[in-house]
Amino acid sequence: EAGVAQSPRYKIIEKRQSVAFWCNPISGHATLYWYQQILGQGPKLLIQFQNNGVVDDSQLPKDRFSAERLKGVDSTLKIQPAKLEDSAVYLCASSWGTSGGNEQFFGPGTRLTVL
Amino acid sequence: SQQGEEDPQALSIQEGENATMNCSYKTSINNLQWYRQNSGRGLVHLILIRSNEREKHSGRLRVTLDTSKKSSSLLITASRAADTASYFCATANPSSGSRLTFGEGTQLTVNP
Repeated sequence: EAGVAQSPRYKIIEKRQSVAFWCNPISGHATLYWYQQILGQGPKLLIQFQNNGVVDDSQLPKDRFSAERLKGVDSTLKIQPAKLEDSAVYLCASSWGTSGGNEQFFGPGTRLTVL
Repeated sequence: SQQGEEDPQALSIQEGENATMNCSYKTSINNLQWYRQNSGRGLVHLILIRSNEREKHSGRLRVTLDTSKKSSSLLITASRAADTASYFCATANPSSGSRLTFGEGTQLTVNP
């Protein structure tokens, strides 16, 4: 079974530029998550999709971050414009179910450096 | 403060020794999960323990849950150098649907 795919693996941009990350979840997984992991910290949920609808985006900085999940499969996360404090690893995860904290499968992440 | 706080922040042991990591949380939970993260990689699910369970085993892993103390522990027996990684606990609570809240993690180093 193929795992969660993410691209790019690394990205370096200057502040105020835009950046987009892509995620392809495990086939058949209904729920997709984007996390931000700052160095030395645990992952923090940014947004959760169930199929192609948003379930939880309460911790997404909506003035600069946006995300979509087209056709309930792939997803993109965009930052526009980036700030220095956005430097982090952005992790995508998916799970088959939608209730009660199912096991989540993580991709390798995209390491973003904002200069 | 964080839901799901691991203790210690860092642990260094010799190969063959046991490693114990603790996690405390603040609200009621549906389940508690432990994940491992190797440097530069994504997280890997290790074990899930439900709120009505007290202990669970998986290979060299043993997890306990004490809901009265709002705490959990992860024991890795007979550690190996390959166990070197960060370990995170994550809680799912009834009011947040399927959202997991992760702690800050314990960095485990197993010296050969």
